[in-house]
Amino acid sequence: DAKTTQPPSMDCAEGRAANLPCNHSTISGNEYVYWYRQIHSQGPQYIIHGLKNNETNEMASLIITEDRKSSTLILPHATLRDTAVYYCIVRDILNNDMRFGAGTRLTVKP
Amino acid sequence: GAGVSQTPSNKVTEKGKYVELRCDPISGHTALYWYRQSLGQGPEFLIYFQGTGAADDSGLPNDRFFAVRPEGSVSTLKIQRTERGDSAVYLCASSDRLNNEQFFGPGTRLTVL
Repeated sequence: DAKTTQPPSMDCAEGRAANLPCNHSTISGNEYVYWYRQIHSQGPQYIIHGLKNNETNEMASLIITEDRKSSTLILPHATLRDTAVYYCIVRDILNNDMRFGAGTRLTVKP
Repeated sequence: GAGVSQTPSNKVTEKGKYVELRCDPISGHTALYWYRQSLGQGPEFLIYFQGTGAADDSGLPNDRFFAVRPEGSVSTLKIQRTERGDSAVYLCASSDRLNNEQFFGPGTRLTVL
């Protein structure tokens, strides 16, 4: 079973920041938070991951709360191409499988 | 460079038949994963290979499902006596080492009539 809770859907205006929340209240010390997204009819695409510090790359920023029980993925300037299902995954560094939940369907509107 | 490829892209079969789904990982990636995705759901882990051996097959739903990776590169997912409930998109992913990001293929859409 997935260890995360995400809203089923969100809308965002094109050009605005998209903030996607994720709850992972049972996360343990050796578990990372990963984010993937899946555009319609494609395989999932890696976005970013983190352990406890905030992370930023060319795609997004990941903000993890100090208690690590929740996180937020931020797409700073959403475009129509960012419309996708976004998955937040908690992954044990000792395991190699990933347990996906249902994700958040983000729709970026013009 | 070339990404993960999967063949066929679509497979339609009849209930009770045997099917094989192929995955070509990114060259040099030692880890290979299979997932199954039903409509409206997130991908469901099936099995993971490190090299030639199946390191974790805990996600395989039953003994009709089997996967091999004989030379540590290409992998084949085999489904015997297919059932209508096996209809799904089967995704393959690879990574260059333990716990690194996984690169996914486009999937094979299996339809069992």
